[in-house]
Amino acid sequence: EPEVTQTPSHQVTQMGQEVILRCVPISNHLYFYWYRQILGQKVEFLVSFYNNEISEKSEIFDDQFSVERPDGSNFTLKIRSTKLEDSAMYFCASSELVNQPQHFGDGTRLSIL
Amino acid sequence: AQKITQTQPGMFVQEKEAVTLDCTYDTSDPSYGLFWYKQPSSGEMIFLIYQGSYDQQNATEGRYSLNFQKARKSANLVISASQLGDSAMYFCAMREGPNTGNQFYFGTGTSLTVIP
Repeated sequence: EPEVTQTPSHQVTQMGQEVILRCVPISNHLYFYWYRQILGQKVEFLVSFYNNEISEKSEIFDDQFSVERPDGSNFTLKIRSTKLEDSAMYFCASSELVNQPQHFGDGTRLSIL
Repeated sequence: AQKITQTQPGMFVQEKEAVTLDCTYDTSDPSYGLFWYKQPSSGEMIFLIYQGSYDQQNATEGRYSLNFQKARKSANLVISASQLGDSAMYFCAMREGPNTGNQFYFGTGTSLTVIP
């Protein structure tokens, strides 16, 4: 069964550094998403992406964040000038259509030191 | 107001029994989707079941069924014949429709423990 893959599984970064989290959505899916889950808390929506542009974003997704689809398969989340509070599990997800179930990757655990 | 409310932080169920996990939602958009996800201790998010706001029948997927009561704005997950492997966090989620920006919201989750 096709699945969403995320790399790396764990990223440790110094505060103030930039980090790029990578995702390969399911190949025939058109909608891509990033979510964040701070340890012990609920999953929070960051951004959705369709047709090579952001379709929706939450208040969390400020200028520190950006997303990109650099080629036909990868979908990346860039966090500039990381802060301690950016430490979280970041999930990528994709869906065929906007009103279809989202399939999640296994997540990248980001630790900011 | 919370978009998704899960009032049960923790639940216990005997193996082979059925359990209902509660979820209520709040939206003014007539078009929305409701989802349930399972998150085991290993951390991944596993899609379980989906209900569209215009679906006439309650969704079912194997041992999972969604008790959709539109007027009450509730979308409870029913797990029948619980298994030890069902022990996990369960999140209810909603995608609002185009009238309200296609945003996604997750509840705070319910931790389910299946007792042998």
